[in-house]
Amino acid sequence: QEQLAESGGGVVQPGRSLRLSCAASGFTFSNYGMHWVRQAPGKGLEWVAVIYYDGSKKYYADSVKGRFTISRDNSENTLYLQMNSLRAEDTAVYYCARDISSRWYDCWGQGTLVTVSS
Amino acid sequence: DIQMTQSPSSLSASVGDRVTITCRASQSISSYLNWYQQKPGKAPKVLIYAASSLQSGVPSRFSGSGSGTDFTLTISSLQPEDSATYYCQQSHSTPWTFGQGTKVEIK
Repeated sequence: QEQLAESGGGVVQPGRSLRLSCAASGFTFSNYGMHWVRQAPGKGLEWVAVIYYDGSKKYYADSVKGRFTISRDNSENTLYLQMNSLRAEDTAVYYCARDISSRWYDCWGQGTLVTVSS
Repeated sequence: DIQMTQSPSSLSASVGDRVTITCRASQSISSYLNWYQQKPGKAPKVLIYAASSLQSGVPSRFSGSGSGTDFTLTISSLQPEDSATYYCQQSHSTPWTFGQGTKVEIK
């Protein structure tokens, strides 16, 4: 069964850092591009970042560029999101998602909540 | 960035009704348009990809159409389990952007 499971969310003060993980199972992780998508409470979906299947390319939303870093460890079947200089507006549920042919998401994790508050 | 605009923002319809949600892109995205369904507290789930292809396992009452800048998601006969928020998303270019969502309620 193909699954993604996020972890690492929690409450953090503004300006601090947090690292999210997304563990993949049931499929060949190294064959797929992977994304982070977030959803602020009561709001819509916002794409955050993408990393190619081999880690060769990474792209970020303007709202997180220079503060967040996406990475992956294909030997551990794990995707990461390092979040630095966190702001209140980064408060959201963060989902990892697998893309198919760089065109749509067919598998999502359950999400992990990040709350940035003093 | 490509802006995606959905309408309506919300709707209320009866079981068995035909429901249509529209999505407009700020520039042509060919057929790089996907539709997702999200229920409260759950991750989104893809319904339609590449504008009109039905994802495996999704009921056939869901269909998608359109190309260029104008797209439509249709539920041919609304069921109680279709109560959810629906999002369109373009994958023509990075950043992939979503519409603001359409909340569908059952009367």
